[in-house]
Amino acid sequence: GESVGLHLPTLSVQEGDNSIINCAYSNSASDYFIWYKQESGKGPQFIIDIRSNMDKRQGQRVTVLLNKTVKHLSLQIAATQPGDSAVYFCAENGGGGYNKLIFGAGTRLAVHP
Amino acid sequence: DGGITQSPKYLFRKEGQNVTLSCEQNLNHDAMYWYRQDPGQGLRLIYYSQIVNDFQKGDIAEGYSVSREKKESFPLTVTSAQKNPTAFYLCASSYRGNQPQHFGDGTRLSIL
Repeated sequence: GESVGLHLPTLSVQEGDNSIINCAYSNSASDYFIWYKQESGKGPQFIIDIRSNMDKRQGQRVTVLLNKTVKHLSLQIAATQPGDSAVYFCAENGGGGYNKLIFGAGTRLAVHP
Repeated sequence: DGGITQSPKYLFRKEGQNVTLSCEQNLNHDAMYWYRQDPGQGLRLIYYSQIVNDFQKGDIAEGYSVSREKKESFPLTVTSAQKNPTAFYLCASSYRGNQPQHFGDGTRLSIL
């Protein structure tokens, strides 16, 4: 399939390990954040979101942490599986209220057996 | 099943030609969006629409046009004024306000 990013930073992990993908966001007015997963040749798939009144939110095998002091967002994936291999994007809303998302450049997660 | 359908999956444009990319959703979402994705970069917003018969320019609207005549449909035209149209185009939709955007599987546009 087509590559969605040729020169992205890459995180390599062993199957079964926990993964942590980090994101620095740009706008201190942003109050809504989303993580997406994109597989080659496909559109981004929603993983989890968090609003600025929260520091942490958990889903199935995933946790998002938000540190507003340093404008940092992270996605933790527990017990990483080969199917988790993809490019992961964080997005922020810029505080505008119109759901105009600003996307980061992405991080490639490579899971090795 | 509810979702967003983009067509065609692959599209080729000749010099001086306008081409139109289709995006249809049956999620009953009010808002729809078009993004462009280039290798090694995140998504960049071309146009968005919060409601039928209304749309706004995004960050890279030059050389593109849209219409929103129906809630379900938000076609994007790549005009001949867009000098570097080769990219992966993604359509998304959402409820209004801060809600997750849901994406189609994209159209890859290339120049002949």
